[in-house]
Amino acid sequence: GQQLNQSPQSMFIQEGEDVSMNCTSSSIFNTWLWYKQDPGEGPVLLIALYKAGELTSNGRLTAQFGITRKDSFLNISASIPSDVGIYFCAGQETSGSRLTFGEGTQLTVNP
Amino acid sequence: DAGITQSPRHKVTETGTPVTLRCHQTENHRYMYWYRQDPGHGLRLIHYSYGVKDTDKGEVSDGYSVSRSKTEDFLLTLESATSSQTSVYFCAISVGVETPLHFGNGTRLTVT
Repeated sequence: GQQLNQSPQSMFIQEGEDVSMNCTSSSIFNTWLWYKQDPGEGPVLLIALYKAGELTSNGRLTAQFGITRKDSFLNISASIPSDVGIYFCAGQETSGSRLTFGEGTQLTVNP
Repeated sequence: DAGITQSPRHKVTETGTPVTLRCHQTENHRYMYWYRQDPGHGLRLIHYSYGVKDTDKGEVSDGYSVSRSKTEDFLLTLESATSSQTSVYFCAISVGVETPLHFGNGTRLTVT
C-alpha cells in the first residue's frame, strides 16, 4: 500500500517560535487531513484539504495541500504550551479509499 | 468531542481470554471504524462498518471480529487475546466514507 512519511518525528521548541512539519506520499492523494492528539485522548481534526494548492488556516495553524498532490505541510505560528501533543497527517488517494496515517510528529513546547 | 463514547477506557486481561470493546455514538453517522495505535506504526485500521450488519476488514484484522447490530454501537472482540494485541484502540465515525474521521478517546488494553 501507499506510504506516508511524516517529519520530523519530534520537535522541541521554545514558546513563541513557529513550527513546520510535513508529510510526503509515494502516490497522489486527493485529500489531506491534519489531526492533533493530546495525551490520553483521541486525535482531533484540525484542518482538511481537498484541492491541490489549497491553503487553509485555523487560528494559528495553516496547512497546505502540495501542488504535486504528494505532500502536505502544517505550520503553527507563535507556539504556546497547549500546542504540545502529537500531530498526525492522513491522506486519501481517492474518494472512498482507505485513509493512510503518518506516524506523527511529537511537539514539545518549552515555556 | 464528536459524541463518541468508548468503554472501557482501560482494561487489563490475561492471554487467551476474550475481550469486547464498545463504541457508542450519538451522531447517527453511517460509518464506524476501529483503529489500533502503536508506537512506530501510527494508526492502523482493524475493521470498519458502513451500516448496520455491514462490516469489512481493515489492514490488521487478524485476531479481531466486529459486530454492528445498531447504528449507534460498534463492538470489537478479541476472541482470544494475545500480548501482541496490547495497544490503544480508537473508534472513529464519519458521515461519508473515511473523511473526515472523528475519534473517540480510546481504550488502553493490556494483555498480560
